[in-house]
Amino acid sequence: GENVEQHPSTLSVQEGDSAVIKCTYSDSASNYFPWYKQELGKRPQLIIDIRSNVGEKKDQRIAVTLNKTAKHFSLHITETQPEDSAVYFCAASDPMGGTYKYIFGTGTRLKVLA
Amino acid sequence: GAGVSQSPSNKVTEKGKDVELRCDPISGHTALYWYRQSLGQGLEFLIYFQGNSAPDKSGLPSDRFSAERTGGSVSTLTIQRTQQEDSAVYLCASSPEWGGYEQYFGPGTRLTVT
Repeated sequence: GENVEQHPSTLSVQEGDSAVIKCTYSDSASNYFPWYKQELGKRPQLIIDIRSNVGEKKDQRIAVTLNKTAKHFSLHITETQPEDSAVYFCAASDPMGGTYKYIFGTGTRLKVLA
Repeated sequence: GAGVSQSPSNKVTEKGKDVELRCDPISGHTALYWYRQSLGQGLEFLIYFQGNSAPDKSGLPSDRFSAERTGGSVSTLTIQRTQQEDSAVYLCASSPEWGGYEQYFGPGTRLTVT
């Protein structure tokens, strides 16, 4: 079955710097890759997603890149702010093949230092 | 509109007792998912319901775990003969059949087995 690895497990950056979180998936059939942000004690919320027919997607300060050949995708946050501090999860699924469940990575705890 | 709701928010039970966790998905969402999040860990897929199709139970960790979805809406996750390793936050999510693959998460039920 699908397996998703996520690195690093923790990441500290200075406010204003960039943060990059990387994920690798095992099932080449996966075609949908969401990123969720979970603040302490709260529910996970989608911040950005990418489908396998594009290589990059951007939304203001966040962007996601996908390399299908390497089965690798990354989250990029620029000009980090203290409110970006949270746990970020990547996931993979195959909705085009009828598999809608997410397989999540183990999460990255991002701390933005003021 | 109303989001995904779960009850109870917290549940403390003694080892060996049975528990029921409830999920109310967003109205009109045909897909419903259960995930488990152990302390400091990622989200582990448990079970997935889509319309009238047979559920995908591939993530249930043992036969002590079961779930049902009545009338295509509310779902109940049942854990029989609870063990200490069942302690975790149980998250429910729902998604529409059409219009995207985003899963909307509930606030979770924190289960503590003593």
